[in-house]
Amino acid sequence: DAKTTQPPSMDCAEGRAANLPCNHSTISGNEYVYWYRQIHSQGPQYIIHGLKNNETNEMASLIITEDRKSSTLILPHATLRDTAVYYCIAGFPGANNLFFGTGTRLTVIP
Amino acid sequence: EAQVTQNPRYLITVTGKKLTVTCSQNMNHEYMSWYRQDPGLGLRQIYYSMNVEVTDKGDVPEGYKVSRKEKRNFPLILESPSPNQTSLYFCASSSLTEVRSYNEQFFGPGTRLTVL
Repeated sequence: DAKTTQPPSMDCAEGRAANLPCNHSTISGNEYVYWYRQIHSQGPQYIIHGLKNNETNEMASLIITEDRKSSTLILPHATLRDTAVYYCIAGFPGANNLFFGTGTRLTVIP
Repeated sequence: EAQVTQNPRYLITVTGKKLTVTCSQNMNHEYMSWYRQDPGLGLRQIYYSMNVEVTDKGDVPEGYKVSRKEKRNFPLILESPSPNQTSLYFCASSSLTEVRSYNEQFFGPGTRLTVL
């Protein structure tokens, strides 16, 4: 699976959009980009994933660059409850193991 | 409500005393997995199961056993716990019905284990 690189931490003002970047320059053609988050010490929560096209669901939007070497997770209106560690993962859909790494700690500031 | 449950949520035990952490899911998922999380090391997979009676080792299986006799349950067994198994443990499950949803894993709330 491709390795991903994320900034260790970010701050975002409450109500503003949070844009979390992820680099995955070695991603292969069949690997998806997955995003999870972990609030405090709770179990990780799946957010969204995509292959080539941008994706949107009720939680977030995922923007993948045309060359697929990087992506951005967008939380359109961050709330205090979005404070968490966000993990960007590149992996094959049939893989049995997702490498979570250390993620980005997002702090939403009132 | 679709969920993954783990019991117990907290456990303090002593070295060598066998213990089992249960995991159950109500989503009829084929895939189940156990992870441990330690500071600075992220989540590491211990064992996984693709279906009933099918289990395999993950990245850190030493000192652990699992079984998958029923589709909904995937217990983690520590035959002789040691202090280096003190950790936060998560169970997860996902469907293998659609390729696109393979890695949409649902995680349990975690079990914090301390081995003295």
